[in-house]
Amino acid sequence: DAGVIQSPRHEVTEMGQEVTLRCKPISGHDYLFWYRQTMMRGLELLIYFNNNVPIDDSGMPEDRFSAKMPNASFSTLKIQPSEPRDSAVYFCASSHLRGGRTNEKLFFGSGTQLSVL
Amino acid sequence: QQQVKQSPQSLIVQKGGISIINCAYENTAFDYFPWYQQFPGKGPALLIAIRPDVSEKKEGRFTISFNKSAKQFSLHIMDSQPGDSATYFCAARTPPPDSGTYKYIFGTGTRLKVLA
Repeated sequence: DAGVIQSPRHEVTEMGQEVTLRCKPISGHDYLFWYRQTMMRGLELLIYFNNNVPIDDSGMPEDRFSAKMPNASFSTLKIQPSEPRDSAVYFCASSHLRGGRTNEKLFFGSGTQLSVL
Repeated sequence: QQQVKQSPQSLIVQKGGISIINCAYENTAFDYFPWYQQFPGKGPALLIAIRPDVSEKKEGRFTISFNKSAKQFSLHIMDSQPGDSATYFCAARTPPPDSGTYKYIFGTGTRLKVLA
């Protein structure tokens, strides 16, 4: 299995531009999480999906952020317009039901390093 | 109440020494406490985890100590090695309010450096 795949690995953009981050979860996983990592705040949960349906988006910082999961193998996180304070590493993670124990392990992608100038 | 407070922010240990990272929480409804290890340029990976009905869990050189009454838990790395140099995150899982889903709250991370 290739694991959770994120693209791009690095993104440099100018303030005001639209940014789209992509994630392919592990096949068969029915939960998908988007996290943001910064030095000051560590790993913050932005939003998560169960069976492609958004369950909790309370961590999405502003209306400038949106996330979609059109099918079980693809999700996007979009920032429009982007701002310098959005600069961070964005991680996607997936997990699955196993033996009745939900979400015992999160599988993280390698992240997208976003720099907004 | 949803926060998990982690300390120290950074830690330097000599090879062979013991590394200790601490976490504290407020929400007594948390039901699962994992530790994740992250190497530079990589995503976090599950290292070890514990449930609140157990006071200690050991896997090789890694041990979680859990104090339910104090609402604290810690990671101990025995015989620390340079290869253990990484960022460590504690986390706590919230039970679902009314569905079969959970979410994890992470601490801010500890950068561990083990000197050769």
